[in-house]
Amino acid sequence: GQSLEQPSEVTAVEGAIVQINCTYQTSGFYGLSWYQQHDGGAPTFLSYNALDGLEETGRFSSFLSRSDSYGYLLLQELQMKDSASYFCAASLSNYQLIWGAGTKLIIKP
Amino acid sequence: DVKVTQSSRYLVKRTGEKVFLECVQDMDHENMFWYRQDPGLGLRLIYFSYDVKMKEKGDIPEGYSVSREKKERFSLILESASTNQTSMYLCASSFSGRDETDTQYFGPGTRLTVL
Repeated sequence: GQSLEQPSEVTAVEGAIVQINCTYQTSGFYGLSWYQQHDGGAPTFLSYNALDGLEETGRFSSFLSRSDSYGYLLLQELQMKDSASYFCAASLSNYQLIWGAGTKLIIKP
Repeated sequence: DVKVTQSSRYLVKRTGEKVFLECVQDMDHENMFWYRQDPGLGLRLIYFSYDVKMKEKGDIPEGYSVSREKKERFSLILESASTNQTSMYLCASSFSGRDETDTQYFGPGTRLTVL
């Protein structure tokens, strides 16, 4: 079947750097997206990788390796407001997204 | 800005009732999606639609149906609500262009409780 695996929870300290990994097993793969969801809120788009390599958007970066079916989201200079759940999602050939179960990021002062 | 709205933020229904959840998007997106989200399970796709009057089953369509009579509106119907359908329901829309990132824009969600 098609699936994405990511850790259920990650803890980090304010100001530090954290990496959230995602491995996927899908068919018709186009790219890997990352979404952020605060408690009680809706998921919002963070980044997308269609090609291998690193994409940087401010404090957030996302990486993809198609040969390894692996990607990660890197958050730098962590702030308390970054406390949220982060989802990786794979784009398939029919515009669907297959979602990971989400990683809860806990940030300690 | 893309705006996706859902008819209710909170809804309480009784077992056996017919429930309608409505979603409207204002960006002329072709694709619309209904998900349910439960703790530890992420987002699970119920149904999606590529165009008016077209629908496709997702991973968990049992107990649900959908309607898309107009491009901007996608309705989720629970024919006979059951307690195991208590969940957060999220609607999303996206553009169909292949050179896009398939970014999905979400509504605020409807937290449905079935008693």
